[in-house]
Amino acid sequence: EDKVVQSPLSLVVHEGDTVTLNCSYEVTNFRSLLWYKQEKKAPTFLFMLTSSGIEKKSGRLSSILDKKELSSILNITATQTGDSAIYLCAVALLGGSQGNLIFGKGTKLSVKP
Amino acid sequence: NAGVTQTPKFQVLKTGQSMTLQCAQDMNHEYMSWYRQDPGMGLRLIHYSVGAGITDQGEVPNGYNVSRSTTEDFPLRLLSAAPSQTSVYFCASSKDGAIYGYTFGSGTRLTVV
Repeated sequence: EDKVVQSPLSLVVHEGDTVTLNCSYEVTNFRSLLWYKQEKKAPTFLFMLTSSGIEKKSGRLSSILDKKELSSILNITATQTGDSAIYLCAVALLGGSQGNLIFGKGTKLSVKP
Repeated sequence: NAGVTQTPKFQVLKTGQSMTLQCAQDMNHEYMSWYRQDPGMGLRLIHYSVGAGITDQGEVPNGYNVSRSTTEDFPLRLLSAAPSQTSVYFCASSKDGAIYGYTFGSGTRLTVV
């Protein structure tokens, strides 16, 4: 059974801290791994990763994929209260389920002032 | 450009009632999906479509029907609502599955009493 596991499930930090969120997967026919940020409503797209070792960066957020270890990390540096959200990791598959995403349960990040 | 539009935003149903959750996108995306999100469970795929006239089941399809008569619309029908279907429902669309990421609608919060 295909699955995606995120850790930790929740995390509380203070403004200015750096955090690392983890995502591991066991799937057949891996196509890509995606990170989403979910505040009060719909998930919003952060990154899509397909190749090992190539870091994607957007401001204070960055992410990298390790296909050997079947995992990815999402780093947030100099956290701000606006980073408080649920961060979702999802894996897309090739083949019959092409285009569909298997989500992890998410990491709830709370950033305290 | 409206993106993905879901209606209604909130709905309360009585057990046994039926209803349709509407989803429309104006981005000419081929891929569309329905997810449900429950506390601690992440997003789980209900049904998906890779183009007009083509639909398939996801992880949790029981109690739901879909059809895709046009590229733009992908309604989700609850046949006979049950309390276990109380959840937040998200519709999502994508140009090419996971390569471009999915765009999510703002969600429908459904309560079945």
